[in-house]
Amino acid sequence: GQNIDQPTEMTATEGAIVQINCTYQTSGFNGLFWYQQHAGEAPTFLSYNVLDGLEEKGRFSSFLSRSKGYSYLLLKELQMKDSASYLCAVRDGDYKLSFGAGTTVTVRA
Amino acid sequence: EPEVTQTPSHQVTQMGQEVILRCVPISNHLYFYWYRQILGQKVEFLVSFYNNEISEKSEIFDDQFSVERPDGSNFTLKIRSTKLEDSAMYFCASRRTAGHSYNSPLHFGNGTRLTVT
Repeated sequence: GQNIDQPTEMTATEGAIVQINCTYQTSGFNGLFWYQQHAGEAPTFLSYNVLDGLEEKGRFSSFLSRSKGYSYLLLKELQMKDSASYLCAVRDGDYKLSFGAGTTVTVRA
Repeated sequence: EPEVTQTPSHQVTQMGQEVILRCVPISNHLYFYWYRQILGQKVEFLVSFYNNEISEKSEIFDDQFSVERPDGSNFTLKIRSTKLEDSAMYFCASRRTAGHSYNSPLHFGNGTRLTVT
């Protein structure tokens, strides 16, 4: 089966940095994605890692260690609009993603 | 930017009725998916579709579910006899590339909220 774990909730202050961890144990691995989901809306793509290391995209960075089954999403210079759920998803086959339950990030002024 | 569009945005139906959820994937995309998200729970894979056939399906996607691409633009999910536990947000998604291009993300539609009463 697929096991993808991430914290349920995190709170941070506007302008701060938050790191969302994700650990996974899946039957296959063809890459790890991070998505952002605002309440009642569709998930939107943030980042992708398939090789070990850090991928940086503006204020968002994502890191992967395949040997440890571990990834994190780093959100810098937090803004109020970053309050959302962040979903870790593993591509464990050619065609499908398995999602974690999501981490709800609340940004406070 | 091209979008995946889904209709209707909200569907209310009685238990035992058939529903069809409709999606128009991004026009040059080749892979199509349905996911669902029960309120407060994680996004769950239902089915993937490529080259006019199902590529993979989950345990959720039983005989009550079917998918179809009736023409060059639409992609539908049919639930034959809805149950209370089918109440969820259903997301259609698509991605572009053929072959094993790993960095091709899924693009999700805004979802159809299905309420079974």
